[in-house]
Amino acid sequence: DTGVSQNPRHKITKRGQNVTFRCDPISEHNRLYWYRQTLGQGPEFLTYFQNEAQLEKSRLLSDRFSAERPKGSFSTLEIQRTEQGDSAMYLCASSPHRETPLHFGNGTRLTVT
Amino acid sequence: AQKITQTQPGMFVQEKEAVTLDCTYDTSDQSYGLFWYKQPSSGEMIFLIYQGSYDEQNATEGRYSLNFQKARKSANLVISASQLGDSAMYFCAMREGGGDKIIFGKGTRLHILP
Repeated sequence: DTGVSQNPRHKITKRGQNVTFRCDPISEHNRLYWYRQTLGQGPEFLTYFQNEAQLEKSRLLSDRFSAERPKGSFSTLEIQRTEQGDSAMYLCASSPHRETPLHFGNGTRLTVT
Repeated sequence: AQKITQTQPGMFVQEKEAVTLDCTYDTSDQSYGLFWYKQPSSGEMIFLIYQGSYDEQNATEGRYSLNFQKARKSANLVISASQLGDSAMYFCAMREGGGDKIIFGKGTRLHILP
């Protein structure tokens, strides 16, 4: 169990650029979640997958956000045409079953200048 | 509408005292799960304790216990004998019965004073 891995740890980008983050969950965890967290706030749900199927996506997400989990293992989160309001910590988490807690990665901190 | 409410943005507690962090939730489901997480200044999210809606006993994990009052829809976290290392943000979270979506409250920042 090597934990949930997220890359990169930090990303600085200019407004209007596209960015992509990667999450490698704990192996054999079939549930994978993405959250966004701003300073002093709780994690805000973005989307989650069960295996390769994206089962729910937050209505808060604009069409600029997309997530994939093509083979039911790692996942990517892409933000197109970034805006300053996208600056946040993006957290990935995984779990093996519904009743089990989420295991979080250390996050990717995005700064949009 | 807020589904998880944590009414205490910040708390200061003397070391070795017990502390209760409040959490109320809103759901119409009969089956749901409640979680508490700790987030120190380093940023990692650490799972503390879980309570299922059908669990009759309050969950306990070491110094952590969950005071589950189903009729009041509250799930307060109790930390006994607080330590300096307990200083952190604490988040209450809920998984609603129908799916796997887990939502978080805004958190309570706990400061343990020496």
